[in-house]
Amino acid sequence: DQQVKQNSPSLSVQEGRISILNCDYTNSMFDYFLWYKKYPAEGPTFLISISSIKDKNEDGRFTVFLNKSAKHLSLHIVPSQPGDSAVYFCAASEGDSNYQLIWGAGTKLIIKP
Amino acid sequence: KAGVTQTPRYLIKTRGQQVTLSCSPISGHRSVSWYQQTPGQGLQFLFEYFSETQRNKGNFPGRFSGRQFSNSRSEMNVSTLELGDSALYLCASTDSGQQFFGPGTRLTVL
Repeated sequence: DQQVKQNSPSLSVQEGRISILNCDYTNSMFDYFLWYKKYPAEGPTFLISISSIKDKNEDGRFTVFLNKSAKHLSLHIVPSQPGDSAVYFCAASEGDSNYQLIWGAGTKLIIKP
Repeated sequence: KAGVTQTPRYLIKTRGQQVTLSCSPISGHRSVSWYQQTPGQGLQFLFEYFSETQRNKGNFPGRFSGRQFSNSRSEMNVSTLELGDSALYLCASTDSGQQFFGPGTRLTVL
C-alpha cells in the first residue's frame, strides 16, 4: 500500500518549457513534503520542501504547490533546462523532525533540446 | 566537508550468503538512515541510527540489521541473501532535518 504515489514513471519536456511533476499521498497525517533529484550513480539530493501550513514554496526556477484537500503536490520547473534531466522523488513525513520519510517511486524527467 | 561515502559501490553475492555495507556520514552528523531502492518502488526506509542507537525501523525482516559506531560510521548487514534483495542501498546522514545521501551500494544477488 503506497502512501506516496508518483503515477508518471517518466515525463518528456521541451527545453525552455514548464515541467510539472505530480505526487499524491493518502496519509492525512503527513505534514512535511520534500522533493529530491537523483542523477544516475549518485544519491538523491534535496531540492525543495513545503510544510502543510503553506500551499506554495518557491526557490528560483522550482516551485512546489500543495493542495491539502486533494492530498496532492506538484513541482514546477520553469524554464526547464537540460541539466534538469534526472529522476525526481517526492517524499513525505509526519513532522519535519521525523527522519522516516515515505518516498514515491520517482518520475524520470527528460528535457529535450 | 566531504560528503557521505559508501563502500563498496558494487557487490555481487549469491543466494544464502551474507553481506555488510558501510556508510561514513558527513563529519559532525550523528544520524544515519538506510534505504533500499528498487525499480518502481522508490526508497524504502530500513532503519535510522543516532548516537549508536537504533531510533527508527522500517518494515523489513530480521535478516536486515545495522549498527552505528562511536564515530557515527554505520554498517548494514543482510544475512541469508535472497534474489529480491538485489537493489541499490542508500545511506543518508542528517543535519537540521535535511538528509544528505551517499552514492549508494548496488547489490546484485545471483
